[in-house]
Parts: sequence; structure tokens; C-alpha cells
Amino acid sequence: ETGVTQSPTHLIKTRGQQVTLRCSSQSGHNTVSWYQQALGQGPQFIFQYYREEENGRGNFPPRFSGLQFPNYSSELNVNALELDDSALYLCASSSGGTGDEQYFGPGTRLTVT
Amino acid sequence: GESVGLHLPTLSVQEGDNSIINCAYSNSASDYFIWYKQESGKGPQFIIDIRSNMDKRQGQRVTVLLNKTVKHLSLQIAATQPGDSAVYFCAEKLSGGSQGNLIFGKGTKLSVKP
Repeated sequence: ETGVTQSPTHLIKTRGQQVTLRCSSQSGHNTVSWYQQALGQGPQFIFQYYREEENGRGNFPPRFSGLQFPNYSSELNVNALELDDSALYLCASSSGGTGDEQYFGPGTRLTVT
Repeated sequence: GESVGLHLPTLSVQEGDNSIINCAYSNSASDYFIWYKQESGKGPQFIIDIRSNMDKRQGQRVTVLLNKTVKHLSLQIAATQPGDSAVYFCAEKLSGGSQGNLIFGKGTKLSVKP
């Protein structure tokens, strides 16, 4: 186990709704990265938070947003959900803001109907 | 666009044999590489990493080889066990790229026959 936790484990939403996913990083880690993993694919980088600031972003639209809190836990928010947003959402924690040695949580399975 | 890819989407080996999982990357600006193991219903598990200033790194039962000349990465698993059955991903990080941006390939499914 990595010590990275995510909640909820599963979620079903309707198209157009909004969702918030949560991640607690491993003890001692101050950096959280979020990824989207579609079925049968490798994870795709959404963004990274380091010391409560966005520290890098992948090719995702602005309706994907996030937060990092002083205890380094993080939230991923997705507005105006689309069917293609159905995926496993993974967070990974690391230290130092470089993105090296990222340790993943178990993920949140989001289904949009 | 440039991407990390894998030569073999599936690999079936006998328990006790050695496994070699290959990965081709196309971005010469990548300076950091990681292998992950992902079991069904779980998040990717860190196995081993290597930086571009190295060509080999060993862990417990695993070895990663990096050949920058041909942009090739491999993961060798010694004495493969049934518990090694999973999907294996290689991932690369671009030097100077967006922090935290690991670029993953599609994965290779390793199946270990008892």
C-alpha cells in the first residue's frame, strides 16, 4: 500500500452534473498529480499541485479544476460532465514538485450516464 | 504526436521463467522513466525508475534497461511468479516539461502460467 487514499471509490453521475473527487497524499509528500485512465488505456495527466498551487497541466479543458489544501490533500472538480468523462481517476503523490517517484492511490471510478 | 508505446500488448510466461517487457519511446527530450504494475481494480504500483544518465538499474527481482540510442526501455522480471500477473506500463517524463506529467504507454498484460 502506498498510503495514498482516494474517495469515493465509485461514483455515478448524470451528464451535465458536477463532481468532486478527493485525495490524501502519502505522509511526507507535498505534491499531488491527477490522472484520468480510460478503460484499456494508460493514465493521462490532468494537472499537478505543489504547495497549494497548480504546477503543471495536461491537455484537459478548464472544466477540470483542482485544489490543494495546507495538509497537501487535494480535490479534483469536474463541471458539466460529459459521457466521455467516464473513467478511473487516479491521484499520485510525490515530493518536491518535480513529479518524480509518483505513488498512486487506488482511484475513483466515475461513470457518467 | 510523440508517445510511449509497447512492442507486445500481451505476454504469457511460465512460472519461474524470466519475463522481459519492452517499451519504445519517441521523445528524445525525456530524462526520467518509470515502470508501473497495475492489477485489476487497483491503481498503478511503482516498480522501478531510471534516469537518462543511467543505462541499467536493478531492484528486487527486477531490472530496467535504458537504451537511449534506439529509444528503448525494458523491464526484466526474474523468476516470474503468479503474483506478477498484471498490466505493466512504462512512463516517461520530459525534461523541462510540465511538472508531474508522466506520459504513459498503453500497457502490456503479463500472464503467468503456473
